[in-house]
Amino acid sequence: EDQVTQSPEALRLQEGESSSLNCSYTVSGLRGLFWYRQDPGKGPEFLFTLYSAGEEKEKERLKATLTKKESFLHITAPKPEDSATYLCAVLPSGGSYIPTFGRGTSLIVHP
Amino acid sequence: GAVVSQHPSWVICKSGTSVKIECRSLDFQATTMFWYRQFPKQSLMLMATSNEGSKATYEQGVEKDKFLINHASLTLSTLTVTSAHPEDSSFYICSAYPGGLPAFFGQGTRLTVV
Repeated sequence: EDQVTQSPEALRLQEGESSSLNCSYTVSGLRGLFWYRQDPGKGPEFLFTLYSAGEEKEKERLKATLTKKESFLHITAPKPEDSATYLCAVLPSGGSYIPTFGRGTSLIVHP
Repeated sequence: GAVVSQHPSWVICKSGTSVKIECRSLDFQATTMFWYRQFPKQSLMLMATSNEGSKATYEQGVEKDKFLINHASLTLSTLTVTSAHPEDSSFYICSAYPGGLPAFFGQGTRLTVV
């Protein structure tokens, strides 16, 4: 059974204090790993897709990396507007297009 | 990125009535759409897979007679919560793949049953 575990559950940072969010996964063949951002009362907003170990993607203050067992979302010099819940999901190889989601990391960045 | 639009964003209904939620893919065609339910501080729970022109596939434990799904066109899927009760109050979200990865999500619908 595919599993996704995100840590920590919650993270509080001061503005400018860089940190990383972790997504550990077990899947029988990885088609893709996804990071989404979700603001309160909104649907998830797509951030990154990673396909293979060693791959990295960047967008503004965010950088996602992937190994065979986990992915990290690095946040450099975060701002209060980066406050949100960050969701990680994996899609197994095969015919199904149903991803398995983690429970998310709730990030609060204080000014 | 691709755009998935949900309507309404929020709805309040009386217990025993039915509520319809629409999910539209605005700039692509989607033969398959997914409906999720999300409880506070919980992750997304897949309810069903909506297939254009055929019956939806429901996840175990989801009542198909309570949560009616219709995927009548390549750009529209609807979720109808029938005879709603307070325990059906939740955040409902749809998603679709625009011909490739990743999946894009609608903005969600907050349902409150009073």
